[in-house]
Amino acid sequence: DVKVTQSSRYLVKRTGEKVFLECVQDMDHENMFWYRQDPGLGLRLIYFSYDVKMKEKGDIPEGYSVSREKKERFSLILESASTNQTSMYLCASSSQGFGTDTQYFGPGTRLTVL
Amino acid sequence: AQTVTQSQPEMSVQEAETVTLSCTYDTSESDYYLFWYKQPPSRQMILVIRQEAYKQQNATENRFSVNFQKAAKSFSLKISDSQLGDAAMYFCAYRRGGATNKLIFGTGTLLAVQP
Repeated sequence: DVKVTQSSRYLVKRTGEKVFLECVQDMDHENMFWYRQDPGLGLRLIYFSYDVKMKEKGDIPEGYSVSREKKERFSLILESASTNQTSMYLCASSSQGFGTDTQYFGPGTRLTVL
Repeated sequence: AQTVTQSQPEMSVQEAETVTLSCTYDTSESDYYLFWYKQPPSRQMILVIRQEAYKQQNATENRFSVNFQKAAKSFSLKISDSQLGDAAMYFCAYRRGGATNKLIFGTGTLLAVQP
């Protein structure tokens, strides 16, 4: 079974703190994604990576950065957390190639910024 | 830009009955893929069903099937013989063809199953 894990299920941070969310997948997937999920807005793509050290902005990259130094690990960084970044953050991974585009999701991190 | 619309924020179905969740999308692409993902309460999101746009035949997975109307840009999910474990948030998603695996999600439909 594909396994995608996220470092924390719940996180509470203060405004202005630097926040790291970690995601690890064990299926040697090339693609990794960070989404944020908000009620009534669905999932919105923040950043994705299709290879080590490669990244592309998604639909809502402002206030976030990412790092992918190893294939299995994709980190989301909030440089200076703000209250409007309180949300559920989901990581996903997928393989490349025709017919292998299923995204496998982690359990999510519910981040509260006070 | 492509968009995905789920017009039903919440739905309810009796156990053993059939329910249909609606999804429409907007794209000018001819090559694309459509998905339904399920997010059970406090559990990980999983793929329910996938449809290639070039295939006319509707995809099915056990009790789950889709009604894919390409001209109408409609992609509804039918759940037959609903079970309590089907209660979840359901997301419709779109991916255009090509190398990218980026998905565009709808806003979701919360399905309740009544015993």
